[in-house]
Amino acid sequence: AQTIHQWPVAEIKAVGSPLSLGCTIKGKSSPNLYWYWQATGGTLQQLFYSITVGQVESVVQLNLSASRPKDDQFILSTEKLLLSHSGFYLCAWTSSAETLYFGSGTRLTVL
Amino acid sequence: GEQVEQLPSILRVQEGSSASINCTYENSASNYFPWYKQEPGENPKLIIDIRSNMERKQTQGLIVLLDKKAKRFSLHITDTQPGDSAMYFCAARAKAGAKLTFGGGTRLTVRP
Repeated sequence: AQTIHQWPVAEIKAVGSPLSLGCTIKGKSSPNLYWYWQATGGTLQQLFYSITVGQVESVVQLNLSASRPKDDQFILSTEKLLLSHSGFYLCAWTSSAETLYFGSGTRLTVL
Repeated sequence: GEQVEQLPSILRVQEGSSASINCTYENSASNYFPWYKQEPGENPKLIIDIRSNMERKQTQGLIVLLDKKAKRFSLHITDTQPGDSAMYFCAARAKAGAKLTFGGGTRLTVRP
């Protein structure tokens, strides 16, 4: 069975500070991986997707970047956080049937 | 791309009654329509989905209807329980590998 792990569970950061969020998926080789962002009470917005190591496509520019350093790892980062970056960050993967499954998420608060 | 509109944004029903959420989409090529339930502080979880080769799908008190002509799909929760209270999101995708576009969400509250 596939498992997806996100870290950290929650972060409180200052405006202007750097950020790195991680996601690891086990039990599936060469998964398609995604980063989604959700404002409090808002909808789910896809930020990035990656179909293979070293290849990341940006969907929405929010002064964030993503990298896929290993087949099972997806990293979301920025060098300078903005207040607008606060929210719920969700890593996700798609099954062979193209069903999207979400990780447990990271709650980010920028002060 | 795709645009998905979801209504209503807030829905309050009495326990035991049914609840209906409606979504419309723009891209006639869309062929996959999942529904997700998100409880407070949790991640969204897939509860049911339907593909364009079907008009109706039912599982465990959930019914999904798809009207491709009207580009509309809906979720119906029968015999609602307080545990059904959550945010619900519909989504649509035009083809395999394309972006899954989500609706704005519906906050469902089931009153005991």
